[in-house]
Amino acid sequence: AQSVTQPDIHITVSEGASLELRCNYSYGATPYLFWYVQSPGQGLQLLLKYFSGDTLVQGIKGFEAEFKRSQSSFNLRKPSVHWSDAAEYFCAVGAPGQNFVFGPGTRLSVLP
Amino acid sequence: DAGVTQSPTHLIKTRGQQVTLRCSPKSGHDTVSWYQQALGQGPQFIFQYYEEEERQRGNFPDRFSGHQFPNYSSELNVNALLLGDSALYLCASSGQGPNNEQFFGPGTRLTVL
Repeated sequence: AQSVTQPDIHITVSEGASLELRCNYSYGATPYLFWYVQSPGQGLQLLLKYFSGDTLVQGIKGFEAEFKRSQSSFNLRKPSVHWSDAAEYFCAVGAPGQNFVFGPGTRLSVLP
Repeated sequence: DAGVTQSPTHLIKTRGQQVTLRCSPKSGHDTVSWYQQALGQGPQFIFQYYEEEERQRGNFPDRFSGHQFPNYSSELNVNALLLGDSALYLCASSGQGPNNEQFFGPGTRLTVL
């Protein structure tokens, strides 16, 4: 069965510090992988996606993620966090024409 | 391009009532998916519509039903509302092709009292 785990429920970092949010997936075929961000009371905004090719993908707002097939991981990183990055982050796995399976989310808090 | 739009923004119902949520897909998209996001959780897939037919369905009871119209817009209907149906309901649209990406609307916040 398809599943996504995000081991960290809540992470707190200081502004300017680096960030890594973990995502592990279980999927029967080559996955399409996504990271979304959700601010309180808002919908989902796509940060970045991986379909194929280069395993290091760049996204919006200075985020990047690395696909590691051997570890079934797709961790999200940012070298320097801004206060406006405080939000909920969701990792998702899917395939063309198929529904997405989302992880439970990681809530990011940023200290001034 | 207006992107994916949903209405209403917020809705309050009482147990046992019925509700209809609406979604207009992004221009050029023909596939609509619905997700339920309970508070503090990730979105869970309800069903997907394509060519006015339900193509896939998640693990939701028959109280949840939908419809897609010829203009690709969609409705989500929930009958006999339960307190546990309180959630943010997200609509996502996508096109066809190998790299189809889902674009999400802002959601409808349903509160069942």
